[in-house]
Amino acid sequence: QVQLVQSGAEVKKPGASVKVSCKASGYTFTGYYMHWVRQAPGQGLEWMGRINPNSGGTNYAQKFQGRVTMTRDTSISTAYMELSRLRSDDTAVYYCARDSGHRGSYGPWGQGTLVTVSS
Amino acid sequence: DIQMTQSPSSLSASVGDRVTITCQASQDISNYLNWYQQKPGKAPKLLIYDASNLETGVPSRFSGSGSGTDFTFTISSLQPEDIATYYCQQYDNLDTFGQGTKLEIK
Repeated sequence: QVQLVQSGAEVKKPGASVKVSCKASGYTFTGYYMHWVRQAPGQGLEWMGRINPNSGGTNYAQKFQGRVTMTRDTSISTAYMELSRLRSDDTAVYYCARDSGHRGSYGPWGQGTLVTVSS
Repeated sequence: DIQMTQSPSSLSASVGDRVTITCQASQDISNYLNWYQQKPGKAPKLLIYDASNLETGVPSRFSGSGSGTDFTFTISSLQPEDIATYYCQQYDNLDTFGQGTKLEIK
């Protein structure tokens, strides 16, 4: 079955970077866009950007331009999201989510990775 | 960026009630709108795609309508298992989520 498995929780200091991985299985990795969505504690969902695993092309939300980098390694069916210059308000659960069979919608999702930014 | 204004932010209703949530886009997005359900500690789940299409396996008490800038999500008869937070999401120009509606049982 289609599955996305993310890397484990991270604790980072302000100003550092974090790189979260998302390993895909059960489908052709290069056939579907991968999105990254985050959710701060008690807050709503925030779309960060997406990557085309086939071409490596990316689109980022304006808010994260210059701070986020999405990459992929097709040899191991894994997508990555790196966020730099971390601040305390970057503390959140970060999800990867694949394009579903319907354009523009997401499913399945990874289990989420909690990133805590604290001095 | 396209802004999505979702209302209400929270809602309390009784089992069996009809529940309606609205989502307004800051510009015309045609029908490029989806609805998700998120339960505590879980990833969101797609319920409605392209404004009005029910995702496979989703109960028929859930429905969506609208186009352009104004959209509606309806639960025809609220069930206890529907307690969750609901989000709209546009994908006309990159992607944006609404702020969410937390649904509680009265």
